[in-house]
Amino acid sequence: GAVVSQHPSWVICKSGTSVKIECRSLDFQATTMFWYRQFPKQSLMLMATSNEGSKATYEQGVEKDKFLINHASLTLSTLTVTSAHPEDSSFYICSARATSRGWQPQHFGDGTRLSIL
Amino acid sequence: GQQLNQSPQSMFIQEGEDVSMNCTSSSIFNTWLWYKQDPGEGPVLLIALYKAGELTSNGRLTAQFGITRKDSFLNISASIPSDVGIYFCAGPGQSGAGSYQLTFGKGTKLSVIP
Repeated sequence: GAVVSQHPSWVICKSGTSVKIECRSLDFQATTMFWYRQFPKQSLMLMATSNEGSKATYEQGVEKDKFLINHASLTLSTLTVTSAHPEDSSFYICSARATSRGWQPQHFGDGTRLSIL
Repeated sequence: GQQLNQSPQSMFIQEGEDVSMNCTSSSIFNTWLWYKQDPGEGPVLLIALYKAGELTSNGRLTAQFGITRKDSFLNISASIPSDVGIYFCAGPGQSGAGSYQLTFGKGTKLSVIP
């Protein structure tokens, strides 16, 4: 149980391209999903919290117009990196927590390796 | 903000040896989580601890939630090559919407020599 699917797993594209990453909870409903970025040999850094049916909450220093988040259903959140540049190259990971009254741990997707040329 | 100090940063051990790593915080956590991340993949939840003093096992893995609620350790017994990876401790925020967010330690990179 608690499977989170992330797609695509690897993207290579030219500078200026916009890239969309999907995060799906396959066997549970997720009111809240999270988007992280991880640079080589570093820990996960939270970018934003995605709430179904409402605006995402961005962490300090993360540009909301650069990283567009849409959480249109209880099983799908998308992250769009707009006009990507080489400095946006990173490993992007989503996670989801099951909708519950009690506290539930986050379960992670397998990540998307983004390389901007 | 909250910070988790994880140690050691990296470990090289012989196959079959036991491993111990720990995580400390300057503030109290109500839940401790241990994740493992393999190269190029997302973290996988290993053990979740919900109560101070709690000792929980998952196969060869054992984790404890410190009584002060400011620390936790993870032990791996009889290590095998597939234990290689980065182990992260994590804890949720204190209250409100932030309580669903996780703060991560910087990870312990484990290498197992066959």
